[in-house]
Amino acid sequence: QQQVKQSPQSLIVQKGGIPIINCAYENTAFDYFPWYQQFPGKGPALLIAIRPDVSEKKEGRFTISFNKSAKQFSLHIMDSQPGDSATYFCAARGADRGSTLGRLYFGRGTQLTVWP
Amino acid sequence: DAGVTQSPTHLIKTRGQQVTLRCSPISGHKSVSWYQQVLGQGPQFIFQYYEKEERGRGNFPDRFSARQFPNYSSELNVNALLLGDSALYLCASSRPPGDQETQYFGPGTRLLVL
Repeated sequence: QQQVKQSPQSLIVQKGGIPIINCAYENTAFDYFPWYQQFPGKGPALLIAIRPDVSEKKEGRFTISFNKSAKQFSLHIMDSQPGDSATYFCAARGADRGSTLGRLYFGRGTQLTVWP
Repeated sequence: DAGVTQSPTHLIKTRGQQVTLRCSPISGHKSVSWYQQVLGQGPQFIFQYYEKEERGRGNFPDRFSARQFPNYSSELNVNALLLGDSALYLCASSRPPGDQETQYFGPGTRLLVL
């Protein structure tokens, strides 16, 4: 069962556009929601993260919006550039004591292409 | 500062063989987690270790095992390899589980099983 659902699977935008990637979760025992960026042949790199008591977080051109009641969160990339072309993963960190503590549950990923 | 390092970077094995993958965490990090990433999918949790003890295990068969050493480095072992074990194996380190910081990933070991 997919704990974190991510959409869309792929996204193509023009340079300067604002791609939006959405994620939803069911389990309320998550305490931290990071986004990772992954280039081909590389490991995921932490991009930005948010805690459930915050509704929005901005870091440079990247913004996370978080809706706790709807159990949804999204990534917005402002003024997108060709160098942003990569696969983006949302994740949720387990907060239950026991085997799920600290474990990350990932979405399936969104392949973003930014055309020049 | 050095990030998470993994070795080897690439590996080719045949079905039935055994493989050992290695990981060194970021200095000061005491927790190591292993993830399997099949092509086109998000990483799937395999194990988490903290202070040399297993703290969590994902839905993987007993062919998968791991350990953590006193210097906090870790090894992942996979026995009786199957074609379906072909994937990118990622190691992530963090401060103690549940700490404020999240996990930082290494570049991975790409395993191909023929």
